[in-house]
Amino acid sequence: DGGITQSPKYLFRKEGQNVTLSCEQNLNHDAMYWYRQDPGQGLRLIYYSQIVNDFQKGDIAEGYSVSREKKESFPLTVTSAQKNPTAFYLCASSITGLAIYNEQFFGPGTRLTVL
Amino acid sequence: SQQGEEDPQALSIQEGENATMNCSYKTSINNLQWYRQNSGRGLVHLILIRSNEREKHSGRLRVTLDTSKKSSSLLITASRAADTASYFCGGRNTGNQFYFGTGTSLTVIP
Repeated sequence: DGGITQSPKYLFRKEGQNVTLSCEQNLNHDAMYWYRQDPGQGLRLIYYSQIVNDFQKGDIAEGYSVSREKKESFPLTVTSAQKNPTAFYLCASSITGLAIYNEQFFGPGTRLTVL
Repeated sequence: SQQGEEDPQALSIQEGENATMNCSYKTSINNLQWYRQNSGRGLVHLILIRSNEREKHSGRLRVTLDTSKKSSSLLITASRAADTASYFCGGRNTGNQFYFGTGTSLTVIP
């Protein structure tokens, strides 16, 4: 899982509540990413950040928000506006966001369940 | 992001056999990467192949890329029970979009 940590590993939330998932990396990577994974599906990009204080929406950003105030941290907030939030959330980082040959390093993931 | 597709969705083999997984994609790519995911864990990068490469090896892994057919294959030779995992292809296309396949679930029976 490299130098990326995600917490918590399991998270339970009641409907209507916002919840924030943590992602920290000590790899000195500029770029960070959030993906959602549902059973039987590949990863879908929620948000990504190529540099501190900058981030862009991915394919499924609705109902999510992020911030990138520090290089090593990229928290994801799942808001009550996300209609189907139960999923496995993966954070990743890469050296830069622009170079096309950079591999992504993934964290261990957070499994969010809405009760 | 554009989704890729892996084939087969699930594969079960005996230990010692070879396992072959295929990945197809829709638009031109800059690179294609293969990842492994153990159940409930994050993805681990296995190998990257660039669009101008046709074959790449890493230990028991062999990856091929056919850009004319927009497909790639991952071969794991002499499989072990510890190879049991899901395998995904992914990377960036020439539009700088990220894509990931839906994964192949490999079970290696001891």
